[in-house]
Amino acid sequence: EAGVTQFPSHSVIEKGQTVTLRCDPISGHDNLYWYRRVMGKEIKFLLHFVKESKQDESGMPNNRFLAERTGGTYSTLKVQPAELEDSGVYFCASRPDSFLGEQYFGPGTRLTVT
Amino acid sequence: AQKVTQAQTEISVVEKEDVTLDCVYETRDTTYYLFWYKQPPSGELVFLIRRNSFDEQNEISGRYSWNFQKSTSSFNFTITASQVVDSAVYFCALSANRDDKIIFGKGTRLHILP
Repeated sequence: EAGVTQFPSHSVIEKGQTVTLRCDPISGHDNLYWYRRVMGKEIKFLLHFVKESKQDESGMPNNRFLAERTGGTYSTLKVQPAELEDSGVYFCASRPDSFLGEQYFGPGTRLTVT
Repeated sequence: AQKVTQAQTEISVVEKEDVTLDCVYETRDTTYYLFWYKQPPSGELVFLIRRNSFDEQNEISGRYSWNFQKSTSSFNFTITASQVVDSAVYFCALSANRDDKIIFGKGTRLHILP
C-alpha cells in the first residue's frame, strides 16, 4: 500500500509569488490533514478535510492560504502571495474513517521563500 | 488550552547508553490521546506510539519504552541501548480525540554518537 505522498519535496520561490503544494493521501482515507513547521517551532495544525469538506480550518494563518480537496481525493494548498514567514515544512497526513485509524504523515514539502 | 512541552531541545549520548526524552502535556479534556513521532534525517514523520488517557500501563516495544503518568501529566520515552540509527528529532503530541488535530511539542533532537 502506497503511503501519503507530497509534491514537490522542495520549493524555492520569491516573496510575492504563488506556490501550490499537493498531497495525495493513502487510497480510501477520507480524512486529510495539513500541518506545517516553521523554523525552530512546533508542528502546527492547519486544517482538516473529511472527504471534500473542510471539517476544521482553525489553523489556517490567513487568507493567503487556500486549501482544496476536489472530489475527496488529493488536496492542494496554495499560498498566494507568499511571504518570508511562510517558509517551513508543510506536512500532509491522512487517516481512514475508522475508530482504529491513525494519522499517517507524508514526507513533507520544504518551502523556502526568499 | 492544550499544550505539549518538550523541555529538552537537544540531547547527545554515546551509542549503547540509555536515554529518556521528556514530555509534559496540558489538557482539560478527560479523554485524550498521546503520541510519539520520530523524524529521521530523511524528513518524514514516523508514528511510534499512541496511548489513550485511560490506559496508564507502561509499554515496551523492543528497545523503546514509554512511561505514562497522569499524576504528573507526563509521557516520557526511553530508548535502551541506543544506536546511531536512533538519531532523529522526536516529537511528543496530544489530541483531544481520535478525529481531532494533533498538538505537537517542539521536538527533541537526539544525537547518538558512535
